[in-house]
Amino acid sequence: DAKTTQPPSMDCAEGRAANLPCNHSTISGNEYVYWYRQIHSQGPQYIIHGLKNNETNEMASLIITEDRKSSTLILPHATLRDTAVYYCIVSSNTNAGKSTFGDGTTLTVKP
Amino acid sequence: DSGVTQTPKHLITATGQRVTLRCSPRSGDLSVYWYQQSLDQGLQFLIQYYNGEERAKGNILERFSAQQFPDLHSELNLSSLELGDSALYFCASSVGASGRGNEQFFGPGTRLTVL
Repeated sequence: DAKTTQPPSMDCAEGRAANLPCNHSTISGNEYVYWYRQIHSQGPQYIIHGLKNNETNEMASLIITEDRKSSTLILPHATLRDTAVYYCIVSSNTNAGKSTFGDGTTLTVKP
Repeated sequence: DSGVTQTPKHLITATGQRVTLRCSPRSGDLSVYWYQQSLDQGLQFLIQYYNGEERAKGNILERFSAQQFPDLHSELNLSSLELGDSALYFCASSVGASGRGNEQFFGPGTRLTVL
């Protein structure tokens, strides 16, 4: 599976949009981009995923660049409860079990 | 609540011992994954089962083994425990084995402490 690179930490003001970038320059054509988050020591929570089109659900939006080498997770109106470690992973169509969770981005939402 | 259950929540044991962690996937999910998260470290993928068969293997030690039963629940067996095995162990499940149906839903974890 392709590797991902994320900034180690980011801050965001409460009520503002949080934009979390992820670089996956070695992504191949059959690999999906998945985002998860982990609040403190709880089990990670699935947020959203996409292949090449932008995606939106009730939690977030996912913007994938046209060359698919990077993506951005957008939390439109961040709240204090969105403070967490956010993981971007790529997962192939044939061997998705070996998803590699890197160090992620620690997002701190401040009042 | 993700629908994935793990037991026990906490486990304290001694070095050299053997323990079994249990996971029940969400209803309808056929894949089960096991992860290890040591203190201040990321999630390390251990192993995946799909419908009873081993599907993918990560950095799982030979002292560790897992299986998925016909009712789709899974157990992770850790033997000859060492201090370094102290960690959070997460189970996750998904509908499919790969591809689009692979969003994983994680359980609350089992915190293992080896003394």
